Amino acid sequence: QKEVEQDPGPLSVPEGAIVSLNCTYSNSAFQYFMWYRQYSRKGPELLMYTYSSGNKEDGRFTAQVDKSSKYISLFIRDSQPSDSATHLCAMSTGGSQGNLIFGKGTKLSVKP
Amino acid sequence: SAVISQKPSRDICQRGTSLTIQCQVDSQVTMMFWYRQQPGQSLTLIATANQGSEATYESGFVIDKFPISRPNLTFSTLTVSNMSPEDSSIYLCSVEVTVGEQYFGPGTRLTVT
Repeated sequence: QKEVEQDPGPLSVPEGAIVSLNCTYSNSAFQYFMWYRQYSRKGPELLMYTYSSGNKEDGRFTAQVDKSSKYISLFIRDSQPSDSATHLCAMSTGGSQGNLIFGKGTKLSVKP
Repeated sequence: SAVISQKPSRDICQRGTSLTIQCQVDSQVTMMFWYRQQPGQSLTLIATANQGSEATYESGFVIDKFPISRPNLTFSTLTVSNMSPEDSSIYLCSVEVTVGEQYFGPGTRLTVT
């Protein structure tokens, strides 16, 4: 079992739709959870950063973490064509190493 | 947040040669990381580079192949040595601003022929 599982998609939605992206993980020591957006031929861009369980909202984006189920989600409201990118979840235990473990990424396409 | 630049943005290199990639950040940071992203794949950590100490390499990556320097709190280099076509990837540096919160550079796209 991989440490982080993410459906690669592709996921295609019409403009204005609500998008739900998800990841599951196996390591209960993960404490920090991130969502990145990566456009083709670009570096990952940090969208959301959360610590431990709960919800965090920032504009059109909501990140949810359920540590009891080892499940994280990113919701995008009023999706725009500019959201078309690969969205990667990432997580970390923190500590002295601090390296991120990434999911494979979900390729999202928002059609005008 | 942090603003990170990388040089070169891309390069095409011949088998057996070496390439040094530079990473510059606009503020002082303790932890910097180097990742590799192979075509169609997610990111894999190569090593952690903290200023004042030797880089720590992940399983499958060795210092002779990927030597790293971290001379100060705003700069690091990664060298890809004795390249083969299997080294063709995007190489990304990142910095940790707060625990778990990492920002990435734009990447260096390397093609080895």
